[in-house]
Amino acid sequence: EAGVTQFPSHSVIEKGQTVTLRCDPISGHDNLYWYRRVMGKEIKFLLHFVKESKQDESGMPNNRFLAERTGGTYSTLKVQPAELEDSGVYFCASSRNRVTTEAFFGQGTRLTVV
Amino acid sequence: AQSVTQPDIHITVSEGASLELRCNYSYGATPYLFWYVQSPGQGLQLLLKYFSGDTLVQGIKGFEAEFKRSQSSFNLRKPSVHWSDAAEYFCAVGARGNQGGKLIFGQGTELSVKP
Repeated sequence: EAGVTQFPSHSVIEKGQTVTLRCDPISGHDNLYWYRRVMGKEIKFLLHFVKESKQDESGMPNNRFLAERTGGTYSTLKVQPAELEDSGVYFCASSRNRVTTEAFFGQGTRLTVV
Repeated sequence: AQSVTQPDIHITVSEGASLELRCNYSYGATPYLFWYVQSPGQGLQLLLKYFSGDTLVQGIKGFEAEFKRSQSSFNLRKPSVHWSDAAEYFCAVGARGNQGGKLIFGQGTELSVKP
């Protein structure tokens, strides 16, 4: 069984540009989560999908961030326009049920905004 | 506010020595508790979790953790560290019931193992 896959693994973009991160969850996992770790800080929750619906987006920092999960399969996280403080590692995780089952994490996408 | 504190940013232990990584949480009720490990170039891997029952939980790779309600702690232990345990370790809490889903993480503890 394939794990959670994230693309790209690294991205370097200039301030003001747009970047789209992709996450492919484990097949059959209805729950999909995005997290972010800014350098030196803790991993912070961004949002939670249940199938294609946003269950909780309380962690999204501002309206420059847009997450989608069309068809309840893979998800994208778009940052437009990117700012320097958006740099960090973006993790995606998926689980079959909620917290009572294990959330499997991808390797993360390291985003650097210059 | 809900929070998780890992007071040690970096720990160095000798191979074969015992290890204890500290984790304290602030939460309205007893949450679900987790320890994750991230090795270089890898994603986060679940080491162990506590939901209910026995407060001493066993995980993978020889790790264990003990939930102490009175201290709001969930410390991770290993009796004998191997060089391959060098990684970053994260303690996390999750809400129960309908509030479940997102995890709140600590700042992480980086473990170095010296020969």
